[in-house]
Amino acid sequence: NAGVTQTPKFQVLKTGQSMTLQCAQDMNHEYMSWYRQDPGMGLRLIHYSVGAGITDQGEVPNGYNVSRSTTEDFPLRLLSAAPSQTSVYFCASRMSGTEAFFGQGTRLTVV
Amino acid sequence: DAKTTQPNSMESNEEEPVHLPCNHSTISGTDYIHWYRQLPSQGPEYVIHGLTSNVNNRMASLAIAEDRKSSTLILHRATLRDAAVYYCILRPTNAGNMLTFGGGTRLMVKP
Repeated sequence: NAGVTQTPKFQVLKTGQSMTLQCAQDMNHEYMSWYRQDPGMGLRLIHYSVGAGITDQGEVPNGYNVSRSTTEDFPLRLLSAAPSQTSVYFCASRMSGTEAFFGQGTRLTVV
Repeated sequence: DAKTTQPNSMESNEEEPVHLPCNHSTISGTDYIHWYRQLPSQGPEYVIHGLTSNVNNRMASLAIAEDRKSSTLILHRATLRDAAVYYCILRPTNAGNMLTFGGGTRLMVKP
């Protein structure tokens, strides 16, 4: 039981490049979400999903896309990376009414 | 969404109890009070949650005011490993609602 697994752990992108941050969970959780955390700040919700095929926007969705084709996976796509997207990204999953489990994070730098 | 207010930072001595306060004066009747903590360079982890009654688990205790406008997370004997940012979060019971993080309280534990 690995919990929530995020890959990669570190990534450097050039401005304008695209990439996909991977998130997988093996707990059969319905709900999955993506957050970003800027230095010294709390986490902000980017996108979330309440089940396969269902996604919705959070507080800061611009510049990011998500899809949920399976229960296990919830990838986050950066369409055209910008320096303002330099941050640490966390994926989380949970069942309805239970606590959330977070991945270890992906540290992204856009130069 | 109802907001929470926490002190930016607190200090404690090792092996002493720690009381971390949280004000949530606009809490609604369906909001659960959740606490998460984030150790350095890690994703947040669940600590405890409650609705109206005080709660205990192996990590901590949660004391909720009778009017539910404030709560206190109690670590009974702080260890160096408890040094982290502690987030107090209100989560409505509606299905699909994700966690909204504020700035949290940075707890420093002195040996």
